[in-house]
Amino acid sequence: GESVGLHLPTLSVQEGDNSIINCAYSNSASDYFIWYKQESGKGPQFIIDIRSNMDKRQGQRVTVLLNKTVKHLSLQIAATQPGDSAVYFCAGDSSYKLIFGSGTRLLVRP
Amino acid sequence: GAGVSQSPSNKVTEKGKDVELRCDPISGHTALYWYRQRLGQGLEFLIYFQGNSAPDKSGLPSDRFSAERTGESVSTLTIQRTQQEDSAVYLCASSMDGYGYTFGSGTRLTVV
Repeated sequence: GESVGLHLPTLSVQEGDNSIINCAYSNSASDYFIWYKQESGKGPQFIIDIRSNMDKRQGQRVTVLLNKTVKHLSLQIAATQPGDSAVYFCAGDSSYKLIFGSGTRLLVRP
Repeated sequence: GAGVSQSPSNKVTEKGKDVELRCDPISGHTALYWYRQRLGQGLEFLIYFQGNSAPDKSGLPSDRFSAERTGESVSTLTIQRTQQEDSAVYLCASSMDGYGYTFGSGTRLTVV
């Protein structure tokens, strides 16, 4: 079946370092992807999105890379801060609905 | 309102009782989604409404689950004869034509 999955369940980084969170997807028909951040007790918060006609998109301190050949996307966070500690989900569209991965927990060490 | 509003934020119910969860989407958003999130897991699609089209119910786990939406406004998710396995956070999202999904804070349902 369709899936959007993550390589690592937990990522620990030093404050100030860059973080890279990876995600693989299986549905080659997906043409829209989103990264979400979820803090404890809160709903997912939109970070950045990308459409399949792009391979890179930048936001404030975040960059999403999309490799359609290997069906992989990544989220890069520059100069990681304590406030970035959360669970990060990637999601890809499928028939007008998002399919989510299981999430990666990002821990920022002071 | 400015965001997606869900109520109640927390609900504790006895096994076998029915519950009704409410979602107020962002005004003007034509699409509305319900997801379920079990503890420590990702979001599981339940149902999708788009305007006046027939909803996509392909994610509903059993016939105990149902949802309604009136036009492009409020939606209610109903779970009948609740079971302990229904305990989860139920999240609602809305979007304008399938882009820029915005989530509410969810309803935490605990079945005891």
